[in-house]
Amino acid sequence: NAGVTQTPKFQVLKTGQSMTLQCAQDMNHEYMSWYRQDPGMGLRLIHYSVGAGITDQGEVPNGYNVSRSTTEDFPLRLLSAAPSQTSVYFCASSYSSVLGAPRTEAFFGQGTRLTVV
Amino acid sequence: GIQVEQSPPDLILQEGANSTLRCNFSDSVNNLQWFHQNPWGQLINLFYIPSGTKQNGRLSATTVATERYSLLYISSSQTTDSGVYFCAVVNTGTASKLTFGTGTRLQVTL
Repeated sequence: NAGVTQTPKFQVLKTGQSMTLQCAQDMNHEYMSWYRQDPGMGLRLIHYSVGAGITDQGEVPNGYNVSRSTTEDFPLRLLSAAPSQTSVYFCASSYSSVLGAPRTEAFFGQGTRLTVV
Repeated sequence: GIQVEQSPPDLILQEGANSTLRCNFSDSVNNLQWFHQNPWGQLINLFYIPSGTKQNGRLSATTVATERYSLLYISSSQTTDSGVYFCAVVNTGTASKLTFGTGTRLQVTL
């Protein structure tokens, strides 16, 4: 059971470059989300999706795009990387929290450490 | 939005000691999780505990949702318990969006 898989684990980008962070889950979870973690801080929500074809912004969405074409995958795109986007990125998935849904425990991937120079 | 506060921010223990970590939140929740982030950066699920008490080995957790707090107990601490402990909650009515506290950094020494 793979759970939540993120690739790559490490990445170095130059300012202005674009890239996509991949996230896949095999638990048939409806809800997927991306967080970033900066030194000494908790995780902050970037974007989330409550199902295929539906995405929305979190707390810190600027500079990032997402799409959700399948239940399993939720890629995060950096359009033009900036040094302020140097961070560790986590993808998570869970069941949705609509009334009557199963428990909404979230599971996290192993993280992607991104450095923008 | 909901506020999540954890205390203490830092904790140093000798191996074998016990500790209690606290998480206070400012609104009603339908999900509360405790995570351990190990020194390699992995987030490990410890407890899914929107209410009540659970135990897993040397760790246990209690959430009193009506009073808006949760406690994580670590007994007989080991050096492998070192890392950062995060509390995260889902505010009732906000889909599954987790809001994290800023964590408690624990160092267990020999």
